Amino acid sequence: QSALTQPASVSGSPGQSITISCTGTSSDVGSYDLVSWYQQHPGKAPKLMIYEGTERPSGVSNRFSGSKSGNTASLTISGLQAEDEADYHCCSYAGGTTLVFGGGTKLTVL
Amino acid sequence: QVQLQESGPGLVKPSETLSLTCTVSGASIDLYYWSWVRQPPGKGLEWIGYSYYSGSSNYNPSLKSRVTISVDTSKNQFSLKLSSATAADTAVYYCARDFGGYSFDYWGQGTLVTVSS
Repeated sequence: QSALTQPASVSGSPGQSITISCTGTSSDVGSYDLVSWYQQHPGKAPKLMIYEGTERPSGVSNRFSGSKSGNTASLTISGLQAEDEADYHCCSYAGGTTLVFGGGTKLTVL
Repeated sequence: QVQLQESGPGLVKPSETLSLTCTVSGASIDLYYWSWVRQPPGKGLEWIGYSYYSGSSNYNPSLKSRVTISVDTSKNQFSLKLSSATAADTAVYYCARDFGGYSFDYWGQGTLVTVSS
């Protein structure tokens, strides 16, 4: 069970859209629509932004959306805002009732 | 409002057992699965395992031989025990609720545990 692969960092200007990728294998991301995404500000606990690949919890802005193609899941943030600057983590069900996280991506709003 | 709060020693000696408790308020502990997740300083998140009030549990294969997670319904708490601790176990430990679909909707604030002599 290896960690999912995320880019170490991404950046964008206010108002732009960015996409963070999360690459796994056919044993985790590719086999299940059970990818979740978490936003984490420095010194804070993670916050659920997307679950089951594409679903947004109540209260999460519709600027956040999730998708998947093959073994790669993606989080897209549109209309980038300064408050979106944070670390983002993906997580996938990996079979056998286990979970695996990605290494995290630092989003910088320029 | 659902709240989770971790508690336990912030310093553990190498080879000893790391023990933490998560107290849940605002939700009945017998309705959900409950997990522990950790984050070494400057690194990503790592799922440790989960447990259900019935005693059913499952763990990260890389930690399975050293981990026990259990639920105490009388206190609305669940706990983590990680044996034979080493410096590599130094991390912020979070407790979290799995509301379904293997996603965590509520998290504790996290507690830093340092393994050092």
